[in-house]
Amino acid sequence: KNQVEQSPQSLIILEGKNCTLQCNYTVSPFSNLRWYKQDTGRGPVSLTIMTFSENTKSNGRYTATLDADTKQSSLHITASQLSDSASYICVVSAGSGGGADGLTFGKGTHLIIQP
Amino acid sequence: SQTIHQWPATLVQPVGSPLSLECTVEGTSNPNLYWYRQAAGRGLQLLFYSVGIGQISSEVPQNLSASRPQDRQFILSSKKLLLSDSGFYLCGALATSTDTQYFGPGTRLTVL
Repeated sequence: KNQVEQSPQSLIILEGKNCTLQCNYTVSPFSNLRWYKQDTGRGPVSLTIMTFSENTKSNGRYTATLDADTKQSSLHITASQLSDSASYICVVSAGSGGGADGLTFGKGTHLIIQP
Repeated sequence: SQTIHQWPATLVQPVGSPLSLECTVEGTSNPNLYWYRQAAGRGLQLLFYSVGIGQISSEVPQNLSASRPQDRQFILSSKKLLLSDSGFYLCGALATSTDTQYFGPGTRLTVL
């Protein structure tokens, strides 16, 4: 069964500090991995997308890494800001054309940035 | 890029009343469309997906139904709402050409 597990479940850090969120997956076949940011009461917004051959991708202060051998990904946030407070969701695609088994969602990490 | 519209943004309905949530997509043709429900503190649960007009697949048995009357329109319905239908409903669209999924702003449904 395809699964995506994220850790930690929640995280509180001070403004300006860095943090790293983890995503482990058991999805096969693997097509790509995405990180989304979801503000409370809003829809998720894509941060990064990585395919099998990519192991790092940056989007501003967000840097995602992918190790396809160990099936692990991380999202590193640098110099955190209050606006980074949100849930971060890891989504892995099996590339089956978007059908029922196409996307597997993690439950997300709830990040709180304190001033 | 794609834009996904959902309405209403929030909805409070009594138990037993009908439901209709609408989702429309701009910026792509023939997208795969999805309805998700997200309970508080939980991950996204896939309810329905559609690969084309009139083609609906249901992922979980439930009180809800979905329809796709047009290529870029996806509707989530219920004849009689239950308390357990409360949640945050998200519409998603997958641009198959780029294999990128986008989400709408969501609808917060409270059934009283």
